[in-house]
Amino acid sequence: AQSVAQPEDQVNVAEGNPLTVKCTYSVSGNPYLFWYVQYPNRGLQFLLKYITGDNLVKGSYGFEAEFNKSQTSFHLKKPSALVSDSALYFCAVRDGQAGTALIFGKGTTLSVSS
Amino acid sequence: DAEITQSPRHKITETGRQVTLACHQTWNHNNMFWYRQDLGHGLRLIHYSYGVQDTNKGEVSDGYSVSRSNTEDLPLTLESAASSQTSVYFCASSPGLAGRTDTQYFGPGTRLTVL
Repeated sequence: AQSVAQPEDQVNVAEGNPLTVKCTYSVSGNPYLFWYVQYPNRGLQFLLKYITGDNLVKGSYGFEAEFNKSQTSFHLKKPSALVSDSALYFCAVRDGQAGTALIFGKGTTLSVSS
Repeated sequence: DAEITQSPRHKITETGRQVTLACHQTWNHNNMFWYRQDLGHGLRLIHYSYGVQDTNKGEVSDGYSVSRSNTEDLPLTLESAASSQTSVYFCASSPGLAGRTDTQYFGPGTRLTVL
């Protein structure tokens, strides 16, 4: 069965420092991986996705994610965090053999301090 | 601009009542989805549709139903609301043209409280 794990409930980082939000996945087929961000009282906003090709994917607001097939990971990164990046981040996976439904992780709260 | 809207944004109801949450998208997307968001569970899929007259059950479909009579709308009905259905509900849509590489776009959510 396909699954997604976000091992950290919360990540704290100082403004200007690099940030990483971790995600690991388990699928039987080829993985299609997504990151979404949720600001308070808002819906989820799409950040980026990995389908195939280059393992480093660039997305919105300066975020990027690195796909690592051997470690089954898709960590979200940003070189320099902003206070406005504070939000709830979700990783999601779609199994290439299992249809189009997305499986979401439980989410990681990112807190960036000034 | 094209968008996806949900109504109402907040709803309080009583146990046993029927409740319908609306979802409307103007992107002309083929696929539409309903999720619930609960603390510690992330988002869980309730029902989804790949087109008019098509509906499918998701991971947590018990107690919920949907119908798709046109491209733009996928209303979610709670047949007999239970306290366990207190949650935040999100509707999403995707074009449905790119298959498994499709990106889903989310509405603003409906916060439902069942007393």
